[in-house]
Amino acid sequence: QVQLVESGGGVVQPGRSLRLSCAASGFTFSSYAMHWVRQAPGKGLEWVAVILYDGTNKYYADSVKGRFTISRDNSKNTLYLQMNSLRAEDTAVYYCANGYCSGTSCPPWYWGQGTLVTVSS
Amino acid sequence: QTVVTQEPSFSVSPGGTVTLTCGLSSGSVSTSYFPSWYQQTPGQTPRTLIYSTNTRSSGVPDRFSGSILGNKAALTITGAQADDESDYYCVLSMNSGVWVFGGGTKLTVL
Repeated sequence: QVQLVESGGGVVQPGRSLRLSCAASGFTFSSYAMHWVRQAPGKGLEWVAVILYDGTNKYYADSVKGRFTISRDNSKNTLYLQMNSLRAEDTAVYYCANGYCSGTSCPPWYWGQGTLVTVSS
Repeated sequence: QTVVTQEPSFSVSPGGTVTLTCGLSSGSVSTSYFPSWYQQTPGQTPRTLIYSTNTRSSGVPDRFSGSILGNKAALTITGAQADDESDYYCVLSMNSGVWVFGGGTKLTVL
């Protein structure tokens, strides 16, 4: 079965960096687009970024563009989110999810349990 | 920036039918937006119900269905049950690689 396990969350000061990881198993990782979605405490879901199956194309929400970088290592079945210049408003549970296909028309499908990022001084 | 709109809240009687919608602040939703629907109960991970307008995800009961109604995407729950009481989110592809979630609908079954 599909398993997605996020890690790397924690408490970080504003302006600092953090890298999240998502270990995937149970499906052919290199064939699927992968998403990051976040949810601030008590708020709704916010799409963050997507990377296509081969890593050649990446797309970001305006709120994180220029600060966050999505990447993947298909040899390790792992998705990453490098988060720089963190702000208090980046505080959220971060979920990784696979797209149901490989390209840009593939919405989030299976979800991980999420990892909490708290940006606070 | 385009805003994806959903009803903030909705209520349905047990056994009843309810249709939740997902629209755009400007323009109409079509299948080319690949509308998808998610269910989330408090403290839990989102669960995919419907993707690409009307494809039911594995294990989702057939009382959940997706469609395009007029200029919006729609999620219809037929024969609502108590455990359908959840938050429901839609997401749309903006055809630039970017996706946008709606604000969510809190469904009450009473």
